[in-house]
Amino acid sequence: EAQVTQNPRYLITVTGKKLTVTCSQNMNHEYMSWYRQDPGLGLRQIYYSMNVEVTDKGDVPEGYKVSRKEKRNFPLILESPSPNQTSLYFCASSRGPSNQPQHFGDGTRLSIL
Amino acid sequence: DQQVKQNSPSLSVQEGRISILNCDYTNSMFDYFLWYKKYPAEGPTFLISISSIKDKNEDGRFTVFLNKSAKHLSLHIVPSQPGDSAVYFCAPWGSQGNLIFGKGTKLSVKP
Repeated sequence: EAQVTQNPRYLITVTGKKLTVTCSQNMNHEYMSWYRQDPGLGLRQIYYSMNVEVTDKGDVPEGYKVSRKEKRNFPLILESPSPNQTSLYFCASSRGPSNQPQHFGDGTRLSIL
Repeated sequence: DQQVKQNSPSLSVQEGRISILNCDYTNSMFDYFLWYKKYPAEGPTFLISISSIKDKNEDGRFTVFLNKSAKHLSLHIVPSQPGDSAVYFCAPWGSQGNLIFGKGTKLSVKP
């Protein structure tokens, strides 16, 4: 089954404790991205990757890092999480960077205390 | 400033009737638009798309209309079913390789 898998689905942690949210897709997609969804703001892009070792900032990249060492994986790293990063996060993938549907994971709800 | 506006936060429709969800955008360079449906505790699911070279695209009960001069899209669901109750997002592809999402419209279809 074609899917985008995120882990963990839920996480409560404390300010400053580094965390990683993993994302994996099994569709051999070149393009992957991370979004955050906040009440009243819709989904906003954090980072995206056109292919292995190619990443770039989206609209709200501050406080986040990503890496793309393999085509299927695109982890989101919060080196020093802060409460304003409490949000619902979605990973997505597509064959290319435009004019295609993106396939989304089921989301990761992060709470930073 | 919002590039994509879905001005109705919510819409309630009777089962069997038509649901019309609207979306306005500001950037005339957008040329490919997608609609997503989202249930609670799940990720957005792709529903239907339209290219700017068309003014209509149909897929079963779902039809998307594009009016480029007005920078307006609408999604029609006919007939509406209770299982269609979800949040619907309009999302054009931006120039930087990102989907630009509206804030969504919550559709409730009552039996």
